[in-house]
Amino acid sequence: QQQVKQSPQSLIVQKGGISIINCAYENTAFDYFPWYQQFPGKGPALLIAIRPDVSEKKEGRFTISFNKSAKQFSLHIMDSQPGDSATYFCAASKGGNEKLTFGTGTRLTIIP
Amino acid sequence: DAGVIQSPRHEVTEMGQEVTLRCKLISGHNSLFWYRQTMMRGLELLIYFNNNVPIDDSGMPEDRFSAKMPNASFSTLKIQPSEPRDSAVYFCASSLGGISNSPLHFGNGTRLTVT
Repeated sequence: QQQVKQSPQSLIVQKGGISIINCAYENTAFDYFPWYQQFPGKGPALLIAIRPDVSEKKEGRFTISFNKSAKQFSLHIMDSQPGDSATYFCAASKGGNEKLTFGTGTRLTIIP
Repeated sequence: DAGVIQSPRHEVTEMGQEVTLRCKLISGHNSLFWYRQTMMRGLELLIYFNNNVPIDDSGMPEDRFSAKMPNASFSTLKIQPSEPRDSAVYFCASSLGGISNSPLHFGNGTRLTVT
């Protein structure tokens, strides 16, 4: 049973636009929600993470929005750039990095 | 810091052969994770260790899979015998265990093809 559902599977955004990737989780015990970014031929790398005591976290052009009641969280990339083209994974866990459950990934392409 | 180092980067083998994947942790990290990535199933946690001790191996698909940490900086994942459905990219990752905000640092993976 998939515990973290991610959408869309792929996304094409024009340079300068806003990229939005959504995730929904089922396990209400989850309390750690990171996003990982993966470039071709590389392993995933932590991009930004949030805990449910805040509704939003921003780091540069990247923002996580968190809706605890809806059990949803999303990644917003402002002013999207070609260098942001990558696969993005949301994840969730209880207590930290142990047993992170990953979403299925979103392949983001930023076009000029 | 050289990061997590995995070898080999690519492995092509025939069904029935033994495959050994290797991983060197980042110095000072004490948690080690093995993941498998496929198009169909995404990123799956196979097993993780803390301080060289296996904590959870519930993701290991079958007895054909085994993982070890002979020392604090090195781990192996062995598949014996290998099957075509084992074809995937295998990642190891390390972190500072016990620190909940410590990120996972992934290696660049081993792409395994079993024919």
